[in-house]
Amino acid sequence: SQTIHQWPATLVQPVGSPLSLECTVEGTSNPNLYWYRQAAGRGLQLLFYSVGIGQISSEVPQNLSASRPQDRQFILSSKKLLLSDSGFYLCAWSALVETSGTEQYFGPGTRLTVT
Amino acid sequence: AQKITQTQPGMFVQEKEAVTLDCTYDTSDPSYGLFWYKQPSSGEMIFLIYQGSYDQQNATEGRYSLNFQKARKSANLVISASQLGDSAMYFCAMRGINTGGFKTIFGAGTRLFVKA
Repeated sequence: SQTIHQWPATLVQPVGSPLSLECTVEGTSNPNLYWYRQAAGRGLQLLFYSVGIGQISSEVPQNLSASRPQDRQFILSSKKLLLSDSGFYLCAWSALVETSGTEQYFGPGTRLTVT
Repeated sequence: AQKITQTQPGMFVQEKEAVTLDCTYDTSDPSYGLFWYKQPSSGEMIFLIYQGSYDQQNATEGRYSLNFQKARKSANLVISASQLGDSAMYFCAMRGINTGGFKTIFGAGTRLFVKA
């Protein structure tokens, strides 16, 4: 069966510090991968998605970046965190061949607090 | 433009009663999918139910059913026989061809409180 891991689960970082969040998927090949951010009490905002190694599409201009060094690994990074980067970050995957009915499977999330 | 609207920030329901969570959407896609997710306080997103735009019948999954009214562009979630464990945030979501096939749009969510 497929599983998706995210770490760390929680993170407290000062403003201006770097960030690296990691997501890995097991049990599937060539998944589409996604990073979402959820502000407190709000819906999900798509940040990045990837259809393959080294292929990243950005949805929202910001000081965050994403990389996909391996097929089932997706990394969210920042060189300098802002207070507004605080939130709950969710990684998700879906099957490579997608239709409008393709479900996304979410990881457990990382709660980031920028102080 | 694609849009999902959930107008109920919070809802209360008595245990064992049914509750309807509203969701309306806007899309120009000829084919699209509608999803409901549950997010408990732990933060994980749990898939509940899916409705395809061309499905003739409303989707059902156990205690969850989706009241799909295509002409009104609504996809309300009905939870029957509410349980205390149903207390959570609920998100309506949509995916269509014009979202590039890779993007799922989420509503702002409805927080459901189940009272004992």
